[in-house]
Amino acid sequence: DGGITQSPKYLFRKEGQNVTLSCEQNLNHDAMYWYRQDPGQGLRLIYYSQIVNDFQKGDIAEGYSVSREKKESFPLTVTSAQKNPTAFYLCASSIGFRVTAVGEKLFFGSGTQLSVL
Amino acid sequence: AQTVTQSQPEMSVQEAETVTLSCTYDTSESDYYLFWYKQPPSRQMILVIRQEAYKQQNATENRFSVNFQKAAKSFSLKISDSQLGDAAMYFCAYRSYKETSGSRLTFGEGTQLTVNP
Repeated sequence: DGGITQSPKYLFRKEGQNVTLSCEQNLNHDAMYWYRQDPGQGLRLIYYSQIVNDFQKGDIAEGYSVSREKKESFPLTVTSAQKNPTAFYLCASSIGFRVTAVGEKLFFGSGTQLSVL
Repeated sequence: AQTVTQSQPEMSVQEAETVTLSCTYDTSESDYYLFWYKQPPSRQMILVIRQEAYKQQNATENRFSVNFQKAAKSFSLKISDSQLGDAAMYFCAYRSYKETSGSRLTFGEGTQLTVNP
């Protein structure tokens, strides 16, 4: 079945440590996104990628980094510079970034809960 | 920048009754898309319904319908014949029609819906 796989489901970070969240899709989608979800704040965009080897900052990129070396993969690294990393992280993809067709929509993964030890 | 506001952090409804969730947004654009997403306890994001701003007719998907008031920048979700499985967090989201914005979504804070048997 096609879809988006996020791993791990739960992740713990120690002080000063970098951690990487995995996001893999087999939908052959060009565009991928990372959102952060905090209680009472909805989802906020961290980074997005329109195509392989390209990515742009979203609304809350500070303390995060990404790479897009393969079409299927868009890992997110939470660096030690992110002082408040505890949140639920959702990865999403869409057919194409510049597609504005009615039928085009976001597909979401099942998320990773990151907590600080 | 666009903003989305959901003024009801929590709502409850009796099973088989009807409930309306509110959403307002702020934008200077004339063309855009609006969405309602459902996030059950599994935390998987599920698209419930979408509306194109250029369409005057309100979108309907089975028991879910919207009341789209473009001039008032209001986009409410009505759930008819509520079922226990409708219990979830509901997010309103905005997407620009501009190609440069792609499928980036701006989300509201969410409304937690409880369905009472």
